[in-house]
Amino acid sequence: DIQMTQSPSSLSASVGDRVTITCRASESIRRYLNWYQHKPGKAPNLLIYGASSLQSGVPSRFSGSGSGTVFTLTISSLQPEDFATYYCLQSYSTLPTFGQGTKVEIK
Amino acid sequence: QGQLVESGGGVVQPGRSLRLSCAASGFTFNDYAMHWVRQAPGKGLECVAVIWYDGSNKYYADSVKGRFTVSRDNSKNTLYLQMNSLRAEDTAVYYCAREKSRDGPHSASWFDPWGQGTLVTVSS
Repeated sequence: DIQMTQSPSSLSASVGDRVTITCRASESIRRYLNWYQHKPGKAPNLLIYGASSLQSGVPSRFSGSGSGTVFTLTISSLQPEDFATYYCLQSYSTLPTFGQGTKVEIK
Repeated sequence: QGQLVESGGGVVQPGRSLRLSCAASGFTFNDYAMHWVRQAPGKGLECVAVIWYDGSNKYYADSVKGRFTVSRDNSKNTLYLQMNSLRAEDTAVYYCAREKSRDGPHSASWFDPWGQGTLVTVSS
């Protein structure tokens, strides 16, 4: 099984801050890495697919990069609606696996 | 774009069974692999099962292997998850999700859309 290690597990930030979240895969997953935003009581919302492609309708302050085993999600200027939990998802293997999640909280 | 709606969740005693359904609309259901993903209270997301577009292949997380069965009826645009021998640790919100993919030099796959989720509570 491919293990995904996501860091940090939580962070506190202010509106306007630049935020970076990292996911590391236990083996190469090429660019089969996706990022989701999840808010309580709602379905996860796709932000980035294929490591760096921005999903239609997602604000351009979200960006993704990486390939192989190390990937990052960057929020260039944190907005009030961005406070949520973020997950990476590797879809390289037959049964995909998520990172543990990063809870982004208001400082 | 497509829409998915789960149903069938509820409260069930340990050892009993439950079947979840996921009704798809707005896209050609039999073109896509489908997944079940769950989130236990206070925990992260976990993929529990995947079924190929034609039902020919199915894969399960170790945590549910031998107890859960994923199936689909392409004539009814519906995905199912049969859950047997339920345990307290199966308590979770269960989501269904469509797998989309892109071929070529920048090949990728991802889950979108997702259903709104259905809560399964295993408790005596």
